[in-house]
Amino acid sequence: GAGVSQSPRYKVAKRGQDVALRCDPISGHVSLFWYQQALGQGPEFLTYFQNEAQLDKSGLPSDRFFAERPEGSVSTLKIQRTQQEDSAVYLCASSPGHAGELFFGEGSRLTVL
Amino acid sequence: QKEVEQNSGPLSVPEGAIASLNCTYSDRGSQSFFWYRQYSGKSPELIMFIYSNGDKEDGRFTAQLNKASQYVSLLIRDSQPSDSATYLCAVNGPNSGYALNFGKGTSLLVTP
Repeated sequence: GAGVSQSPRYKVAKRGQDVALRCDPISGHVSLFWYQQALGQGPEFLTYFQNEAQLDKSGLPSDRFFAERPEGSVSTLKIQRTQQEDSAVYLCASSPGHAGELFFGEGSRLTVL
Repeated sequence: QKEVEQNSGPLSVPEGAIASLNCTYSDRGSQSFFWYRQYSGKSPELIMFIYSNGDKEDGRFTAQLNKASQYVSLLIRDSQPSDSATYLCAVNGPNSGYALNFGKGTSLLVTP
């Protein structure tokens, strides 16, 4: 596709539910990033994939957060047993290589009630 | 102390004026510096990057980097109402690995 595609755009979950957020990066981009953006804040790094390899997951806030990119293209961010503090916009970005030249998707807004 | 600091604003400038957005960072080893623009309800988009001390110009935008002072700025000349957005400063270096460290952003309002 022309850009990074994320789904769902909006997700409302009850506390304790599991959620899965999908990202389809720009074709040919080997690098894929997940960021979390709380209201009024800048994006915070969660994890990084180079092709199918997860090279950095240092930003994942807890073991409830899990990300995968099994075939080096589409990625899924899974949050288990959601908590209210997980409410945020989850941004996926892909890059042809450099860590800073990111192309962001429109984000998935998660609201945990 | 957050690694990347920005004044949250809002910074209000009249149409046609120069808008000056500033950012400081704490990691002296930082090597790459980026400015992203984020419209309300939208995702960030890259508008400029700079790696070397000095100025880098791209159309109405000029990025300025001073590594000794750990300071990076973005100037927007001939500001337009369509420039009204939040501007995010982001920094990367050996100590941040693959992560891009973002500031909170500065809200810019260009008034007609």
